[in-house]
Amino acid sequence: ETGVTQSPTHLIKTRGQQVTLRCSSQSGHNTVSWYQQALGQGPQFIFQYYREEENGRGNFPPRFSGLQFPNYSSELNVNALELDDSALYLCASSFGGPSSYNEQFFGPGTRLTVL
Amino acid sequence: SQQGEEDPQALSIQEGENATMNCSYKTSINNLQWYRQNSGRGLVHLILIRSNEREKHSGRLRVTLDTSKKSSSLLITASRAADTASYFCVSGSARQLTFGSGTQLTVLP
Repeated sequence: ETGVTQSPTHLIKTRGQQVTLRCSSQSGHNTVSWYQQALGQGPQFIFQYYREEENGRGNFPPRFSGLQFPNYSSELNVNALELDDSALYLCASSFGGPSSYNEQFFGPGTRLTVL
Repeated sequence: SQQGEEDPQALSIQEGENATMNCSYKTSINNLQWYRQNSGRGLVHLILIRSNEREKHSGRLRVTLDTSKKSSSLLITASRAADTASYFCVSGSARQLTFGSGTQLTVLP
């Protein structure tokens, strides 16, 4: 059984650019969530995907968008990057959908730096 | 915004000692979880306690929950250097985990 994987591990972009981060869910998991973790803070919920549809969003603007594919892998896209978008982006997968309290398994994260 | 607040923000102890971290949260919960994050293993789920439970054990971990005070504590007994990490209390719905700001625990050899 493989765990949650994310790519790339590190990324440097300039303000105004666009970025795509990728996540492969743990085998058998059908739900994926994305979190943003600023330095020294706890992760903050961005959104969750279940059955290829967004199923809940945190306090993030529309320039943060995502996709979930039929194989349950996922992408996080951020447009018009701002300096404050610099953070560790974490993907978490779980089984059972948005009403399930099953444990979420986190990937190692992608460290995004915006210059 | 963060739902929970851990206390203390940082804690430094000697190997073998016990470590206690506290968490306060704002709204009613169905359950409360604790996660650990270190550079080696990333963010890992430790334990979940349901709102109708008062205490739960898992190995060297002991979690208590007081819903009347909206607070929880995590006790790590006989700490090891490998326990050095940030510890987060986590509440929220199944859809959206809400993390506190974390306690940074350092266990000195």
